[in-house]
Amino acid sequence: DAGVTQSPTHLIKTRGQHVTLRCSPISGHKSVSWYQQVLGQGPQFIFQYYEKEERGRGNFPDRFSARQFPNYSSELNVNALLLGDSALYLCASSLGYGGNYGYTFGSGTRLTVV
Amino acid sequence: GQSLEQPSEVTAVEGAIVQINCTYQTSGFYGLSWYQQHDGGAPTFLSYNALDGLEETGRFSSFLSRSDSYGYLLLQELQMKDSASYFCAVTNAGNMLTFGGGTRLMVKP
Repeated sequence: DAGVTQSPTHLIKTRGQHVTLRCSPISGHKSVSWYQQVLGQGPQFIFQYYEKEERGRGNFPDRFSARQFPNYSSELNVNALLLGDSALYLCASSLGYGGNYGYTFGSGTRLTVV
Repeated sequence: GQSLEQPSEVTAVEGAIVQINCTYQTSGFYGLSWYQQHDGGAPTFLSYNALDGLEETGRFSSFLSRSDSYGYLLLQELQMKDSASYFCAVTNAGNMLTFGGGTRLMVKP
């Protein structure tokens, strides 16, 4: 079985540009969450979607948005990129939502903003 | 707000036992999770505690005391491959997973 897949794996963008990151959850998983991880720090929660509805939003500016599609895949969009947006963006899927389900993380998209 | 405190670094020798502590402050606490992350890899789920007590899974055990807002991850019979970062994370009423800053475990021969 395929795990959580994210694309692209690496990305270089210029300040002010827009980026779209994609995530396909494990088959049967209906919850997708997005995290930002800066080197040397823990992942920071951005969004959680369950059954195509937003169920949680972290402390990130409105430049960050996401959505979940009918097949439960998800996109994270970031507008007006800043240098500080450079990070590893992780997608995690689970059967439901809540820590007891145990989230399965993808390998992430490494975003570099120059 | 929410905050989690865990040691930044721990060093131990192969075959030993190590305990990584985590204290947290959060509203609407549901449970405490532990994740392992190797350099360049994705976080991997290890355990989840919703109730007080010890949960054992092979060489790894996790403990929670809700009254003390405290938990720990216990790793026994340490192996070189256990060298990684370990994160505690709390789930609150909003079903948001908030991670600590991570503990870098170095296992030496």
